[in-house]
Amino acid sequence: AQKVTQAQTEISVVEKEDVTLDCVYETRDTTYYLFWYKQPPSGELVFLIRRNSFDEQNEISGRYSWNFQKSTSSFNFTITASQVVDSAVYFCALSENSNAGGTSYGKLTFGQGTILTVHP
Amino acid sequence: KAGVTQTPRYLIKTRGQQVTLSCSPISGHRSVSWYQQTPGQGLQFLFEYFSETQRNKGNFPGRFSGRQFSNSRSEMNVSTLELGDSALYLCASSLGRGRDTQYFGPGTRLTVL
Repeated sequence: AQKVTQAQTEISVVEKEDVTLDCVYETRDTTYYLFWYKQPPSGELVFLIRRNSFDEQNEISGRYSWNFQKSTSSFNFTITASQVVDSAVYFCALSENSNAGGTSYGKLTFGQGTILTVHP
Repeated sequence: KAGVTQTPRYLIKTRGQQVTLSCSPISGHRSVSWYQQTPGQGLQFLFEYFSETQRNKGNFPGRFSGRQFSNSRSEMNVSTLELGDSALYLCASSLGRGRDTQYFGPGTRLTVL
């Protein structure tokens, strides 16, 4: 069965510090998809990024960057020069290949989330 | 495009009652997934509907059910409410293929007294 682990329960930083959120996953599928979502206090999950298991190219988007390493089953997320507005709960999620059968359709397996607090 | 909408945003019910939550997906999306979020269990998958058919179901009791209409709108129903059903219920829509991103609505906060 698939599993996602976010070992960091809470992180507290001061504005402008860089912060990395860790995510480790387990799956027996060779084709799968990884996601990061952000949940601000309003409650809505906001999509940040998707990666498939064949694409290990790391990406930088503004202050956000992602490090996907298949060899260690990790998909870490870094915020550079953090801001107070980055304060939220961040979730890593795994979606397995739907072609494997009905047990995968529409199902995201989430980590427990990391609470990020950025202080001014 | 308008995002995923959920109604109502807040609900207060008492034990034993039933409740129906509604979700309208992004236009063109045919898949709707439902999740329950609680402080203790985190985000857990309830079920997924695609073209009015339930394709997948999580490990929840039969008191939790859902359906999808021809316009892709979905409802979930919880019968005989228990205190432990208090949670944020989130729905998400997507095009319906495994690789597609799920986009979430604002959620319905259910409180069972």
